[in-house]
Amino acid sequence: GQNIDQPTEMTATEGAIVQINCTYQTSGFNGLFWYQQHAGEAPTFLSYNVLDGLEEKGRFSSFLSRSKGYSYLLLKELQMKDSASYLCAVRPPNQAGTALIFGKGTTLSVSS
Amino acid sequence: DVKVTQSSRYLVKRTGEKVFLECVQDMDHENMFWYRQDPGLGLRLIYFSYDVKMKEKGDIPEGYSVSREKKERFSLILESASTNQTSMYLCASSLRGRRINQPQHFGDGTRLSIL
Repeated sequence: GQNIDQPTEMTATEGAIVQINCTYQTSGFNGLFWYQQHAGEAPTFLSYNVLDGLEEKGRFSSFLSRSKGYSYLLLKELQMKDSASYLCAVRPPNQAGTALIFGKGTTLSVSS
Repeated sequence: DVKVTQSSRYLVKRTGEKVFLECVQDMDHENMFWYRQDPGLGLRLIYFSYDVKMKEKGDIPEGYSVSREKKERFSLILESASTNQTSMYLCASSLRGRRINQPQHFGDGTRLSIL
């Protein structure tokens, strides 16, 4: 079966560091995406990992361990505007090779 | 800049009506997708298309159909709307390719209410 788990909610304060975890069990793996979605808006692409290790992009980093079926998104120097839902999505190999399986998302609340 | 446009942000329809949701992308993407997003359930794939006139069922296709007559346009059709189809509908597009890191680009969504 296909299953992606993320915490439902997290809270943090401005300037802090927060790590959002994602574990997956899927029949095959062809990459993992992280998206950010502000309330009432479209999801926007943050990062992509297909090989093990850490990908850094400014204040945001994403880590992948394929053997453990595990990823995390690390947000540094948190700002109020980082309050949003963060979606983990796995690309499984299939006929068209393009559809994603999404987790239910983690709602992050950043307070001052 | 990447642009996926959904025809309506908010839509109210009645039970039993045939409902059309339209999505247009200007990026010459081969792949297009329709999702619905519900609280506690996340994003669920309804249908996708990887070429003109091609379509594939996603996880929850029942009660829906799609049409892709032109590369830039992907329509979602609710054949006979029911109250359990009240949801946020999101359209997305991406370049074709299995092993390239092409993300899906999303539209702003249509919040559909079926009364």
